[in-house]
Amino acid sequence: NAGVTQTPKFRILKIGQSMTLQCTQDMNHNYMYWYRQDPGMGLKLIYYSVGAGITDKGEVPNGYNVSRSTTEDFPLRLELAAPSQTSVYFCASSGGTSGGQETQYFGPGTRLLVL
Amino acid sequence: AQSVTQLDSHVSVSEGTPVLLRCNYSSSYSPSLFWYVQHPNKGLQLLLKYTSAATLVKGINGFEAEFKKSETSFHLTKPSAHMSDAAEYFCVVLPGTYKYIFGTGTRLKVLA
Repeated sequence: NAGVTQTPKFRILKIGQSMTLQCTQDMNHNYMYWYRQDPGMGLKLIYYSVGAGITDKGEVPNGYNVSRSTTEDFPLRLELAAPSQTSVYFCASSGGTSGGQETQYFGPGTRLLVL
Repeated sequence: AQSVTQLDSHVSVSEGTPVLLRCNYSSSYSPSLFWYVQHPNKGLQLLLKYTSAATLVKGINGFEAEFKKSETSFHLTKPSAHMSDAAEYFCVVLPGTYKYIFGTGTRLKVLA
């Protein structure tokens, strides 16, 4: 199993540009999450999904959008990049919230710089 | 409200001495609790988790944590620090919902 994979690893954007951060998991997990981590800080939840076709906002959703058309994929879209979106983005998945399935598995992260 | 507090933002220990990273939580439900480690420029790796079974949980690389309901704590310990333990450690609580709540992290420095 590859686990959770993210692409790209690093990207530089100009202000106002758009991009999609890709996330794929091969563990058949229903729950998927997008977090951002700013320097020296913990993780903040951007969006999450509890299954294909179901998404919801987290703590910091402004400036982002998501979709979940399949169990495996959970892309994060930045429409108009702003310097405040400079961060490291982590995708994670879990099999559930109980019954031994609670562990979140994280991707390696995407480092985004907006100039 | 559900929350998690890591009591120390930075901890320094000498190699070979014990490690203690402190975590307190607040939850209305019986929570699941986790410790993750993040090495520089890397993703998060699970060290250990508590999910209402044994209160003393053993994890990878010699780490342990004890769930103390009366103190609402889940402190992470290791008997003897190694240089490779230098990293950022996150305490995480899952309070019976979909949303995991992360602490702000403790940076562990190991001195030679």
